[in-house]
Amino acid sequence: NAGVTQTPKFQVLKTGQSMTLQCAQDMNHNSMYWYRQDPGMGLRLIYYSASEGTTDKGEVPNGYNVSRLNKREFSLRLESAAPSQTSVYFCASRAGQGTDTQYFGPGTRLTVL
Amino acid sequence: AQSVTQLGSHVSVSEGALVLLRCNYSSSVPPYLFWYVQYPNQGLQLLLKYTSAATLVKGINGFEAEFKKSETSFHLTKPSAHMSDAAEYFCAVSVQEYGNKLVFGAGTILRVKS
Repeated sequence: NAGVTQTPKFQVLKTGQSMTLQCAQDMNHNSMYWYRQDPGMGLRLIYYSASEGTTDKGEVPNGYNVSRLNKREFSLRLESAAPSQTSVYFCASRAGQGTDTQYFGPGTRLTVL
Repeated sequence: AQSVTQLGSHVSVSEGALVLLRCNYSSSVPPYLFWYVQYPNQGLQLLLKYTSAATLVKGINGFEAEFKKSETSFHLTKPSAHMSDAAEYFCAVSVQEYGNKLVFGAGTILRVKS
């Protein structure tokens, strides 16, 4: 049982390049989330998927797109990376019932030059 | 909008001393509150959560937190700090919008001195 896994762990992009961050969970959870972590700001929600087949914008969605490929996988795409997107990205999942805990992946450290 | 405030971006304690990390929240409805810990270059790990069952919540690694509605607080404590407790700690509240997202505080970095 690996929990939530993310790839890659590190990535360096040049401004304007694109990339996709991958996330998978093996806990049969319904809901999945993408957050970004910036110093002194905690974590902020980019996009979420309440259930398979649905995705919705979070607080800071500009410059990102997502795909809920199936119940296990939830990817985040940067179409044209900008230096402001330099951050640590975390994927999380939650069973989807009431007070359920969100479980986090190990994160992807992205630098955009 | 619900928010979380963590008082003190950095806290330093001696090994064996009491750890107290402060968290205050704003919520118009009974909140679900969480403390997460993040070790360097790792993801977030759940320490404990409050879901209205009991006001004193015990978590992993000897940590506990007390929910005080009158003070809108959920402070994290540990009686005796260990070197391995050095990490960043985040308080969070679950909100109903955005698919029950978590609203996080800015985090508190705990340093443990030998």
